Amino acid sequence: KQEVTQIPAALSVPEGENLVLNCSFTDSAIYNLQWFRQDPGKGLTSLLLIQSSQREQTSGRLNASLDKSSGRSTLYIAASQPGDSATYLCAVLKGNQFYFGTGTSLTVIP
Amino acid sequence: SQTIHQWPATLVQPVGSPLSLECTVEGTSNPNLYWYRQAAGRGLQLLFYSVGIGQISSEVPQNLSASRPQDRQFILSSKKLLLSDSGFYLCAWSVGVPGYTFGSGTRLTVV
Repeated sequence: KQEVTQIPAALSVPEGENLVLNCSFTDSAIYNLQWFRQDPGKGLTSLLLIQSSQREQTSGRLNASLDKSSGRSTLYIAASQPGDSATYLCAVLKGNQFYFGTGTSLTVIP
Repeated sequence: SQTIHQWPATLVQPVGSPLSLECTVEGTSNPNLYWYRQAAGRGLQLLFYSVGIGQISSEVPQNLSASRPQDRQFILSSKKLLLSDSGFYLCAWSVGVPGYTFGSGTRLTVV
């Protein structure tokens, strides 16, 4: 069974810092990997989707990488802002199901 | 454009009462539909998914059921709620391999 782990569980950084969130998965036979953002009490917003044949995707200050062979993905956030504070979830698609990590709670301190 | 609607946003129900949460999708046909639950302090757990009308797959044994009466409508139900049913319920859809789009969620508190 696919297991997805996110490290760290929580992270607090001062505004302006660059940061990296980590995601690892046990089964490398995935179709794609998706990073989401969840604000408290809200639904999930998709940030970046990386197909299994791709190695990275970029959107604004966000860059996500995928290394299928090692079962790892990273989400890089440049020049963090207080509005980036949220929980970040990664999910991998295998078969017809997404498997989610438990998330990293990010706080950006003004 | 494709949109997903989920309601209600919040719900407080007594133990033993019935439940009906509805999710509808617009702007796409024959989507895969999903119900997830996020319990306090825990990750997202897949409850049900559906690849077509009347086709429901359940991932975990539970007090809940799901139905898909129309192509773009997915309903989560319970006949009698338990305290352990409290949580944040999210509906999602996908078409083909690329990723999910989630609804805004329903916060259910069973008292």
